[in-house]
Amino acid sequence: DVVVTQSPLSLPVTLGQPASISCRCSQSLLHSDGNTYLNWFQQRPGQTPRRLIYKVSNRDSGVPDRFSGSGSGTDFTLKISRVEAEDVGVYYCMQGLHWPPTFGQGTKVEIK
Amino acid sequence: EVQLVDSGGGLVQPGGSLRLSCAASGFTFSNYWMQWVRQAPGKGLEWVSRINSDGSVPSYADSVKGRFTVSRDNAKNRLYLQMNSLRAEDTAVYYCVRDPAYAAFDLWGQGSLVTVSS
Repeated sequence: DVVVTQSPLSLPVTLGQPASISCRCSQSLLHSDGNTYLNWFQQRPGQTPRRLIYKVSNRDSGVPDRFSGSGSGTDFTLKISRVEAEDVGVYYCMQGLHWPPTFGQGTKVEIK
Repeated sequence: EVQLVDSGGGLVQPGGSLRLSCAASGFTFSNYWMQWVRQAPGKGLEWVSRINSDGSVPSYADSVKGRFTVSRDNAKNRLYLQMNSLRAEDTAVYYCVRDPAYAAFDLWGQGSLVTVSS
């Protein structure tokens, strides 16, 4: 199985400051169709996970533009340009190219 | 409204069985592969099972293979997960998830809590 490694696992941030989460995969996620199948999910406390970003950098409907995704091959990053209180929660990256799909361990974002 | 509604969770003894159900609405259920993902208390997300759009090709994580069976009824817009020989380590919230392609997981149910304990 593809191993997905996130860092850091805990991320205390100050309101209004940027935050960045790294995601590294043990195999390339680039498909021959030109797409890279890496998604990001947010799970707020007590809530169901929801997808934020798909195929590396495409934001889902309703996701604020302070969230952005980047990367290629095996290395990816989720950035929050200015953290707001509602961004508290756990963020997961997940690869969907290789079977079975695998998630990172999760990064807990909290306010300092 | 486009949604998935999970049901069927509960408390079961080790070795017991439970069937989870997921009701889909607001979209053409038969067009999508569907998946189950679980989350043990305080832990991360783990893929459990998938089924293709017509229900002919199921797939399972090694941890549940031979014990769990995924199925669907496209006429009723429902997804199922039959769980047998349950173990304490199966205790988790089980989410039904829609998959448009390549495990895109764009729509999640609210989850069903399964607790395996004597």
